[in-house]
Amino acid sequence: EIVMTQSPASLSVSPGERATLSCRASQSVSSNLAWYQWRPGQAPRLLIYGASTRATDVPPRFSGSGSGTEFTLTISSLQSEDFAVYYCQQYNAWPPLTFGGGTRVEIK
Amino acid sequence: QVQLVESGEGLVKPGGSLRLSCAASGFTFSDYYMTWIRQAPGKGLEWVSYLSRRGNTIYYADSVKGRFTISRDNTKNSLYLQMNSLRADDTAVYYCARMSSSWNYFDYWGQGALVTVSS
Repeated sequence: EIVMTQSPASLSVSPGERATLSCRASQSVSSNLAWYQWRPGQAPRLLIYGASTRATDVPPRFSGSGSGTEFTLTISSLQSEDFAVYYCQQYNAWPPLTFGGGTRVEIK
Repeated sequence: QVQLVESGEGLVKPGGSLRLSCAASGFTFSDYYMTWIRQAPGKGLEWVSYLSRRGNTIYYADSVKGRFTISRDNTKNSLYLQMNSLRADDTAVYYCARMSSSWNYFDYWGQGALVTVSS
């Protein structure tokens, strides 16, 4: 099973600032990595797939990078609606499909 | 637009059973692989089960294998999860999710159904 580790567990950021979230895989997942956004009371939302491709209707302030075992999700200028929990997920080798533990982005 | 709506949530005693349903709309249900994913209170996400378009390929997480059964009815645009021999550690919000047509990530999710296993 591929273990996904996200850091930090939580991040305090002021609106308008940049947030950088990390995700590490226990073995290479190539570029088969997705990022999701969790907001309270809403269905989870796909943000990024293929490590760097934005999903439909995802604003360009969200960007993904990395390959192999190290990945990054960057939110260039945080908006109020971006304060949420973010999860990475690998889909290179499964079952099982595995997720990171999540990073909570909070208002500073 | 794509919608996935879970139902069947509830409180059940340890050892009991519960069946979750997921009603799909806004897309051709039979064209997509479907999954269940759960999130226990205060915990991360755990993939639970996968079902191919025609139901002939099924996978389960080790934690639910032998106790849970995934199924679908393409005539009713519905996905199901039959959960038997429930344990306290099955307490979670269960999400129905559609898998992308191109690869194995989840492009749409439902809002979840809470299953509580407690005496």
